[in-house]
Amino acid sequence: EAGVAQSPRYKIIEKRQSVAFWCNPISGHATLYWYQQILGQGPKLLIQFQNNGVVDDSQLPKDRFSAERLKGVDSTLKIQPAKLEDSAVYLCASSNGVGVNTEAFFGQGTRLTVV
Amino acid sequence: GDSVTQMEGPVTLSEEAFLTINCTYTATGYPSLFWYVQYPGEGLQLLLKATKADDKGSNKGFEATYRKETTSFHLEKGSVQVSDSAVYFCALISGSARQLTFGSGTQLTVLP
Repeated sequence: EAGVAQSPRYKIIEKRQSVAFWCNPISGHATLYWYQQILGQGPKLLIQFQNNGVVDDSQLPKDRFSAERLKGVDSTLKIQPAKLEDSAVYLCASSNGVGVNTEAFFGQGTRLTVV
Repeated sequence: GDSVTQMEGPVTLSEEAFLTINCTYTATGYPSLFWYVQYPGEGLQLLLKATKADDKGSNKGFEATYRKETTSFHLEKGSVQVSDSAVYFCALISGSARQLTFGSGTQLTVLP
Protein backbone atom coordinates (compact mmCIF):
# COMPACT_ATOMS: atom_id res chain seq x y z
CA GLU A 1 0.00 0.00 0.00
CA ALA A 2 1.35 3.42 -0.94
CA GLY A 3 2.06 5.74 1.94
CA VAL A 4 1.30 9.42 2.43
CA ALA A 5 2.96 11.44 -0.33
CA GLN A 6 4.15 15.00 0.15
CA SER A 7 5.85 17.49 -2.14
CA PRO A 8 8.15 19.25 -2.37
CA ARG A 9 10.64 17.70 0.06
CA TYR A 10 12.52 20.95 0.51
CA LYS A 11 11.73 24.61 -0.12
CA ILE A 12 13.70 27.78 0.51
CA ILE A 13 11.93 31.12 0.17
CA GLU A 14 12.46 34.69 1.25
CA LYS A 15 10.30 36.24 3.93
CA ARG A 16 7.07 37.78 2.66
CA GLN A 17 6.96 35.33 -0.24
CA SER A 18 4.24 32.71 -0.55
CA VAL A 19 4.60 28.93 -0.64
CA ALA A 20 2.34 25.92 -1.05
CA PHE A 21 2.71 22.31 0.03
CA TRP A 22 0.84 19.34 -1.35
CA CYS A 23 -0.28 16.10 0.31
CA ASN A 24 -1.82 12.93 -1.08
CA PRO A 25 -3.09 10.70 1.75
CA ILE A 26 -3.37 6.93 1.81
CA SER A 27 -6.22 5.81 -0.39
CA GLY A 28 -9.47 5.56 1.51
CA HIS A 29 -8.33 7.55 4.52
CA ALA A 30 -11.03 10.07 5.38
CA THR A 31 -9.04 12.02 7.96
CA LEU A 32 -6.10 14.23 6.99
CA TYR A 33 -3.86 16.26 9.27
CA TRP A 34 -1.26 18.97 8.77
CA TYR A 35 1.36 19.33 11.50
CA GLN A 36 4.14 21.87 11.94
CA GLN A 37 7.39 20.58 13.44
CA ILE A 38 9.84 23.28 14.48
CA LEU A 39 13.42 22.12 15.02
CA GLY A 40 13.82 20.57 18.47
CA GLN A 41 10.07 20.39 19.13
CA GLY A 42 7.36 17.83 18.64
CA PRO A 43 4.83 18.16 15.84
CA LYS A 44 2.01 20.61 16.48
CA LEU A 45 -1.37 20.22 14.78
CA LEU A 46 -2.30 22.99 12.38
CA ILE A 47 -5.50 21.65 10.85
CA GLN A 48 -7.51 18.44 10.67
CA PHE A 49 -9.94 17.49 7.88
CA GLN A 50 -12.62 14.84 7.88
CA ASN A 51 -13.30 14.18 4.19
CA ASN A 52 -13.37 17.74 2.83
CA GLY A 53 -14.64 19.41 6.00
CA VAL A 54 -12.51 21.08 8.67
CA VAL A 55 -12.68 19.37 12.09
CA ASP A 56 -10.13 21.49 13.94
CA ASP A 57 -8.19 24.54 12.80
CA SER A 58 -7.87 26.22 16.18
CA GLN A 59 -4.06 26.39 15.98
CA LEU A 60 -3.83 27.52 12.37
CA PRO A 61 -2.57 31.13 12.05
CA LYS A 62 -5.38 32.12 9.75
CA ASP A 63 -3.96 35.53 8.91
CA ARG A 64 -1.25 33.85 6.84
CA PHE A 65 -1.95 30.11 6.64
CA SER A 66 -4.71 28.47 4.64
CA ALA A 67 -5.50 24.88 3.75
CA GLU A 68 -8.01 23.12 1.60
CA ARG A 69 -8.96 19.56 0.78
CA LEU A 70 -10.99 19.53 -2.36
CA LYS A 71 -12.97 16.37 -3.14
CA GLY A 72 -11.88 14.89 0.19
CA VAL A 73 -8.60 13.50 -1.13
CA ASP A 74 -5.52 15.66 -1.81
CA SER A 75 -4.77 18.69 0.30
CA THR A 76 -2.72 21.85 -0.04
CA LEU A 77 -1.34 24.04 2.72
CA LYS A 78 -0.39 27.61 1.83
CA ILE A 79 1.55 30.29 3.65
CA GLN A 80 1.25 33.88 2.48
CA PRO A 81 3.24 35.89 3.40
CA ALA A 82 5.90 33.75 5.05
CA LYS A 83 7.79 34.85 8.15
CA LEU A 84 11.15 33.69 9.44
CA GLU A 85 9.46 31.81 12.28
CA ASP A 86 7.59 29.64 9.76
CA SER A 87 10.82 27.73 9.10
CA ALA A 88 9.90 24.17 10.04
CA VAL A 89 9.03 20.74 8.69
CA TYR A 90 5.41 20.50 7.59
CA LEU A 91 4.04 17.00 8.06
CA CYS A 92 0.94 15.56 6.51
CA ALA A 93 -0.73 12.52 8.04
CA SER A 94 -3.84 10.50 7.33
CA SER A 95 -5.99 7.97 9.14
CA ASN A 96 -9.10 5.95 8.43
CA GLY A 97 -10.98 7.26 11.43
CA VAL A 98 -10.78 9.41 14.52
CA GLY A 99 -10.53 8.66 18.21
CA VAL A 100 -8.26 6.99 20.70
CA ASN A 101 -7.61 3.83 18.70
CA THR A 102 -6.82 5.47 15.41
CA GLU A 103 -3.36 5.10 13.91
CA ALA A 104 -2.09 8.06 11.91
CA PHE A 105 0.33 7.50 9.03
CA PHE A 106 2.81 10.26 8.26
CA GLY A 107 4.48 11.47 5.11
CA GLN A 108 8.17 12.38 4.95
CA GLY A 109 7.40 16.05 5.34
CA THR A 110 8.37 19.26 3.57
CA ARG A 111 11.28 21.15 5.09
CA LEU A 112 10.68 24.90 4.69
CA THR A 113 13.44 27.44 5.23
CA VAL A 114 12.49 31.11 5.24
CA VAL A 115 15.44 33.48 4.81
CA GLY B 1 -5.20 20.86 27.97
CA ASP B 2 -3.38 17.70 27.03
CA SER B 3 0.40 17.66 27.25
CA VAL B 4 3.32 15.24 27.02
CA THR B 5 6.68 15.68 28.73
CA GLN B 6 9.64 13.70 27.48
CA MET B 7 13.12 13.13 28.78
CA GLU B 8 15.53 15.71 27.41
CA GLY B 9 18.03 14.52 24.85
CA PRO B 10 20.23 13.81 23.16
CA VAL B 11 20.92 10.32 24.49
CA THR B 12 24.08 8.51 23.39
CA LEU B 13 24.55 4.81 24.17
CA SER B 14 26.89 2.04 23.19
CA GLU B 15 25.53 -0.91 21.25
CA GLU B 16 23.83 -3.52 23.49
CA ALA B 17 23.22 -0.99 26.29
CA PHE B 18 19.86 -0.72 28.07
CA LEU B 19 17.62 2.14 26.98
CA THR B 20 15.01 4.07 28.92
CA ILE B 21 13.31 7.20 27.62
CA ASN B 22 10.95 8.73 30.14
CA CYS B 23 7.53 10.06 29.19
CA THR B 24 4.81 11.50 31.41
CA TYR B 25 1.51 12.99 30.38
CA THR B 26 -1.41 15.16 31.41
CA ALA B 27 -4.75 14.47 29.80
CA THR B 28 -8.48 14.49 30.37
CA GLY B 29 -10.22 11.17 30.54
CA TYR B 30 -8.43 8.01 29.54
CA PRO B 31 -6.00 8.64 26.71
CA SER B 32 -4.36 6.19 24.37
CA LEU B 33 -0.57 6.43 24.44
CA PHE B 34 1.89 6.06 21.59
CA TRP B 35 5.57 6.01 20.78
CA TYR B 36 6.51 7.20 17.31
CA VAL B 37 10.00 6.95 15.79
CA GLN B 38 11.58 9.14 13.13
CA TYR B 39 14.61 7.64 11.39
CA PRO B 40 16.93 10.04 9.55
CA GLY B 41 15.34 11.29 6.35
CA GLU B 42 12.07 9.46 6.95
CA GLY B 43 8.61 10.27 8.23
CA LEU B 44 7.19 9.46 11.64
CA GLN B 45 6.33 5.79 12.14
CA LEU B 46 4.24 4.25 14.87
CA LEU B 47 6.50 2.13 17.07
CA LEU B 48 4.00 0.90 19.67
CA LYS B 49 0.85 1.88 21.49
CA ALA B 50 -1.26 1.12 24.55
CA THR B 51 -4.93 1.98 24.88
CA LYS B 52 -5.71 1.34 28.55
CA ALA B 53 -4.09 1.24 31.97
CA ASP B 54 -1.54 -1.56 32.56
CA ASP B 55 -1.41 -2.40 28.85
CA LYS B 56 2.06 -3.08 27.52
CA GLY B 57 2.87 -2.08 23.96
CA SER B 58 5.79 -3.83 22.28
CA ASN B 59 7.51 -3.88 18.90
CA LYS B 60 11.04 -4.52 17.57
CA GLY B 61 12.30 -5.25 21.10
CA PHE B 62 10.93 -1.97 22.49
CA GLU B 63 8.36 -1.97 25.29
CA ALA B 64 6.30 0.59 27.17
CA THR B 65 3.71 0.08 29.90
CA TYR B 66 0.73 2.40 30.43
CA ARG B 67 0.96 3.46 34.10
CA LYS B 68 -2.15 5.40 35.06
CA GLU B 69 -1.09 5.89 38.69
CA THR B 70 2.11 7.69 37.65
CA THR B 71 0.74 9.02 34.32
CA SER B 72 3.77 7.59 32.57
CA PHE B 73 4.62 5.60 29.45
CA HIS B 74 8.38 5.06 29.55
CA LEU B 75 10.05 3.45 26.54
CA GLU B 76 12.56 0.65 27.19
CA LYS B 77 14.76 -1.68 25.21
CA GLY B 78 17.09 -4.23 26.71
CA SER B 79 19.85 -4.10 24.08
CA VAL B 80 19.99 -1.26 21.57
CA GLN B 81 21.51 -1.50 18.11
CA VAL B 82 23.13 1.10 15.87
CA SER B 83 20.03 0.88 13.67
CA ASP B 84 17.90 2.18 16.56
CA SER B 85 19.48 5.62 16.19
CA ALA B 86 16.54 7.95 15.59
CA VAL B 87 14.29 10.53 17.25
CA TYR B 88 11.60 9.06 19.50
CA PHE B 89 8.33 10.87 20.21
CA CYS B 90 5.83 10.08 22.95
CA ALA B 91 2.26 11.05 22.08
CA LEU B 92 -1.33 10.70 23.22
CA ILE B 93 -4.90 10.98 22.04
CA SER B 94 -7.34 11.78 24.83
CA GLY B 95 -11.02 11.06 24.85
CA SER B 96 -11.86 14.70 24.30
CA ALA B 97 -9.46 15.21 21.40
CA ARG B 98 -9.37 13.78 17.93
CA GLN B 99 -5.70 14.16 17.16
CA LEU B 100 -2.26 13.37 18.53
CA THR B 101 -0.48 15.55 21.07
CA PHE B 102 3.29 15.02 20.92
CA GLY B 103 6.19 15.43 23.28
CA SER B 104 9.28 17.30 22.14
CA GLY B 105 11.18 14.20 21.05
CA THR B 106 14.35 12.50 22.24
CA GLN B 107 17.31 12.03 19.91
CA LEU B 108 18.98 8.64 20.41
CA THR B 109 22.41 7.85 19.00
CA VAL B 110 23.80 4.33 19.37
CA LEU B 111 27.53 3.92 18.83
CA PRO B 112 29.11 0.66 17.65
